[in-house]
Amino acid sequence: GAVVSQHPSWVICKSGTSVKIECRSLDFQATTMFWYRQFPKQSLMLMATSNEGSKATYEQGVEKDKFLINHASLTLSTLTVTSAHPEDSSFYICSARAALGLAASYEQYFGPGTRLTVT
Amino acid sequence: AQKVTQAQTEISVVEKEDVTLDCVYETRDTTYYLFWYKQPPSGELVFLIRRNSFDEQNEISGRYSWNFQKSTSSFNFTITASQVVDSAVYFCALSEALGGGSQGNLIFGKGTKLSVKP
Repeated sequence: GAVVSQHPSWVICKSGTSVKIECRSLDFQATTMFWYRQFPKQSLMLMATSNEGSKATYEQGVEKDKFLINHASLTLSTLTVTSAHPEDSSFYICSARAALGLAASYEQYFGPGTRLTVT
Repeated sequence: AQKVTQAQTEISVVEKEDVTLDCVYETRDTTYYLFWYKQPPSGELVFLIRRNSFDEQNEISGRYSWNFQKSTSSFNFTITASQVVDSAVYFCALSEALGGGSQGNLIFGKGTKLSVKP
């Protein structure tokens, strides 16, 4: 159980185009999803937190108009990188946390990541 | 502020050696959670362990063991008799309790790259 998928696993796009990344919790309902970004040989940095049905909370320094996050259902969150540029090339990882009320609710289940390359 | 420090950037050992990966954390909360993840070259994070702040018992799982010491704010990870397949980047992470403005997101250390040579 507790599987999170991401699609696509990798994508190459041209500068100026937009890319959408999907994060799905396959066998549980995720009230909260997190989006992380990892540059090569660096750690994971939280970009934003999204709660189902409400606006995402962005970390300082992350442009909300550039990284659009939608969490329209309890099993799906999307990250859209708008007008992508080469500096947006990175590994994007989502994680999902199950509904509260259980000890396991502190557990985050990570997706396999999406490698974005902007040319 | 919360912070996780993994002072060892890279470690290289020969197969069958024991190796300890250090993790020191900072938090003002009394309730928090500590994690270790493994990230192989494929990139996917592999969950290894979660510990809550009230449970200081050391844990052993096969060749893996964890030493949690609140007095020194450390949560070290030891691999016994290392194998080539253990080669990966290992991340220590901290999560504070939900509420009080915290969403329970993970704060990661910078990671330690472990290379196990045959």
